[in-house]
Amino acid sequence: DTAVSQTPKYLVTQMGNDKSIKCEQNLGHDTMYWYKQDSKKFLKIMFSYNNKELIINETVPNRFSPKSPDKAHLNLHINSLELGDSAVYFCASSQGGSGRTDTQYFGPGTRLTVL
Amino acid sequence: LAKTTQPISMDSYEGQEVNITCSHNNIATNDYITWYQQFPSQGPRFIIQGYKTKVTNEVASLFIPADRKSSTLSLPRVSLSDTAVYYCLVGAGSGNTGKLIFGQGTTLQVKP
Repeated sequence: DTAVSQTPKYLVTQMGNDKSIKCEQNLGHDTMYWYKQDSKKFLKIMFSYNNKELIINETVPNRFSPKSPDKAHLNLHINSLELGDSAVYFCASSQGGSGRTDTQYFGPGTRLTVL
Repeated sequence: LAKTTQPISMDSYEGQEVNITCSHNNIATNDYITWYQQFPSQGPRFIIQGYKTKVTNEVASLFIPADRKSSTLSLPRVSLSDTAVYYCLVGAGSGNTGKLIFGQGTTLQVKP
């Protein structure tokens, strides 16, 4: 059983297009995240949702819009894709609320290439 | 959140013990120290977490001195499959935010 899954694994698209990446977790966690890992391997948090409510929104262009239809899903929609959006996007989840740094479980990543 | 500093890369040979040290001089009282491992083309994976002294699990040990300004991840008898990037993170993830800040990580290369 895959704990955190993402689709698609690879996404190649043209500049200006709109695309979505889907994420699902079957761990029963309350909190889900989106991270971006660039070519230099830096991993930066973009968004975090707890029970479908946005709790972290880093300085991400508003072309990026997360959507959480339920607490098991957190999708990422990107409008007007730019070359600089090329990266690997990771979804993660955690139980949340324990008062310590929660263990986060990461998905396999989606490699987005914008041409 | 406290900033961490760790070596960019390390080399080792199979069967050796590897120690990766992370500096976190500005660690706060309620911060925990957590290590993640990332293999190529995969998402990071939790290895170990501690607050003080020593923590050991089936994968690694984590040594934290009394002042907590640094920590050392110890991997016993590494194998080729331990080649990965290792991230040290410090934070409390207070409440439900769970915000993690990943640094550059240490790329460990295990050679035969």
